Amino acid sequence: EDQVTQSPEALRLQEGESSSLNCSYTVSGLRGLFWYRQDPGKGPEFLFTLYSAGEEKEKERLKATLTKKESFLHITAPKPEDSATYLCAVQAAPLDSNYQLIWGAGTKLIIKP
Amino acid sequence: KAGVTQTPRYLIKTRGQQVTLSCSPISGHRSVSWYQQTPGQGLQFLFEYFSETQRNKGNFPGRFSGRQFSNSRSEMNVSTLELGDSALYLCASSPPYNTEAFFGQGTRLTVV
Repeated sequence: EDQVTQSPEALRLQEGESSSLNCSYTVSGLRGLFWYRQDPGKGPEFLFTLYSAGEEKEKERLKATLTKKESFLHITAPKPEDSATYLCAVQAAPLDSNYQLIWGAGTKLIIKP
Repeated sequence: KAGVTQTPRYLIKTRGQQVTLSCSPISGHRSVSWYQQTPGQGLQFLFEYFSETQRNKGNFPGRFSGRQFSNSRSEMNVSTLELGDSALYLCASSPPYNTEAFFGQGTRLTVV
């Protein structure tokens, strides 16, 4: 069964303390892996798409990497405004044209000043 | 370029009533997906429409339905509301030949 697991569930960091969030997946064939950021009461905001193992993408203090079994979202020197829930989603290779995204439960990141 | 627009932003309904939520996708996007998000269950896929046809459906009861119009705008309807239907309902649109989904701000539905 296709599955996406994110860890940890919650992460508290001091401002400037770098860390990584994990997204592990089991799918029959990966079409794409997506990272989103969600603030309370709002819709998820698209961050990155990764398509193949070894690929990396960066945006400000965030860097996403991908292996054959997992993805990491590295946060370098975070600021309080980086506090949010980070969601990971995977799209498997289509079977019967099913392009549905499979979502992880998210990691709630809290950055303390 | 305008983003995905969902209306209304907030709704309060009584158990047993029905509700219709609206979603206007980003211009040029033909795929629209709907999700239910609750604190305990996370993002749950409801259904996806593409060119006015339902392409995928999640594991929700028949009380949840949707449709898409020729201009790609979409509506979802929930009939016979239950307390457990209280959630943030999110709509996302995707461009042709692309897999990224862009979300609206959501509609917060409270059933009392």
